[in-house]
Amino acid sequence: KAGVTQTPRYLIKTRGQQVTLSCSPISGHRSVSWYQQTPGQGLQFLFEYFSETQRNKGNFPGRFSGRQFSNSRSEMNVSTLELGDSALYLCASSLDGGTSGNTIYFGEGSWLTVV
Amino acid sequence: GESVGLHLPTLSVQEGDNSIINCAYSNSASDYFIWYKQESGKGPQFIIDIRSNMDKRQGQRVTVLLNKTVKHLSLQIAATQPGDSAVYFCAENILGAAGNKLTFGGGTRVLVKP
Repeated sequence: KAGVTQTPRYLIKTRGQQVTLSCSPISGHRSVSWYQQTPGQGLQFLFEYFSETQRNKGNFPGRFSGRQFSNSRSEMNVSTLELGDSALYLCASSLDGGTSGNTIYFGEGSWLTVV
Repeated sequence: GESVGLHLPTLSVQEGDNSIINCAYSNSASDYFIWYKQESGKGPQFIIDIRSNMDKRQGQRVTVLLNKTVKHLSLQIAATQPGDSAVYFCAENILGAAGNKLTFGGGTRVLVKP
């Protein structure tokens, strides 16, 4: 069974540009969440989607957005990139929406560098 | 590989010894706790979880202890091996309709000395 797949793995963008990151959850998983990981702030929750609905959002500016498709695949977008957006962006998936404590699995992440 | 978390507390342990990694969690309403292992350049890998109605849970070579009174979580690794060298994170969640929203601790780097 394939794990959580994130693309692209590495990318470099210029300040002011936008970026779209993609996540394919484990087959059958309906919950997809996104996290940002930086040396200074650690792992921080961005948002979570379940059945195409955003149910939870972290404390990030509106430049960070996401969506989930009917096949549970998810994308996140960051507009007007800033240097501080350089980070590892992690996607995680789970069977359900956090009611039963099903294991939350992470992908390998997308490394974003903003120059 | 890339490194995230350059100034983490570090636990140095001799190969074959037992390791204990501690974590203080923040929300008394949290009822589900998870330990993850993150190797350089990779995403967090699930190790073990525990719910708040338990105070101990064992896996293969790992044991998680939960003390709700002082909001403390620990991960014990038996007979630590070189492959256990990584950064370890605890995470907390509140089960319910609000969904999956993990709050992570700052992480502990474990270095296994041969």
